[in-house]
Amino acid sequence: DAKTTQPPSMDCAEGRAANLPCNHSTISGNEYVYWYRQIHSQGPQYIIHGLKNNETNEMASLIITEDRKSSTLILPHATLRDTAVYYCIVRVHYNQGGKLIFGQGTELSVKP
Amino acid sequence: NAGVTQTPKFQVLKTGQSMTLQCAQDMNHEYMSWYRQDPGMGLRLIHYSVGAGITDQGEVPNGYNVSRSTTEDFPLRLLSAAPSQTSVYFCASSPPSTGGAMNTGELFFGEGSRLTVL
Repeated sequence: DAKTTQPPSMDCAEGRAANLPCNHSTISGNEYVYWYRQIHSQGPQYIIHGLKNNETNEMASLIITEDRKSSTLILPHATLRDTAVYYCIVRVHYNQGGKLIFGQGTELSVKP
Repeated sequence: NAGVTQTPKFQVLKTGQSMTLQCAQDMNHEYMSWYRQDPGMGLRLIHYSVGAGITDQGEVPNGYNVSRSTTEDFPLRLLSAAPSQTSVYFCASSPPSTGGAMNTGELFFGEGSRLTVL
């Protein structure tokens, strides 16, 4: 699986959009970008994933650059409950089993 | 559905003792895995299983054994606990990523088991 690089920490004002970047310059053509978050030592929670098109769900949007070497997770209206560590993970979508290789993640602090 | 259930939630061991962390899922997921998380660190994969009777090593397998005799259960065994194994342990399960828009390959995590080895 390709390696990812994320900033260790970010701040965001409550109600504003949180934009979390991720670099994955060695990503292969069949690898997906996944985002998970971990709220205060709970088990990680899936947020969104994508291959090359931008994706949106009820939690967030995922913007992947055309060359697929980087992506941005967008929380459109951050709340205090979005304070968490966010992990960007690159993996093959199929037949990967239960394997996820986590990096250090970005610790997002949403402030009032 | 209860999802992924881990027991115990907290455990204190002495060096050299053995114990088993239990993990059970009721979602009929084929894939299960164990992770450990040390303070201030991301999760690291210990062992994983793609189905009953099949297990494989992850990033940090030393000191841990697993078995998968049923689809539902995936216990993690510490044969001789060491202080370096003090950590929070997470079990996860996932359906196989066999395609389709509804199948995201998402992993479902348990609430964690906090282990301290003195």
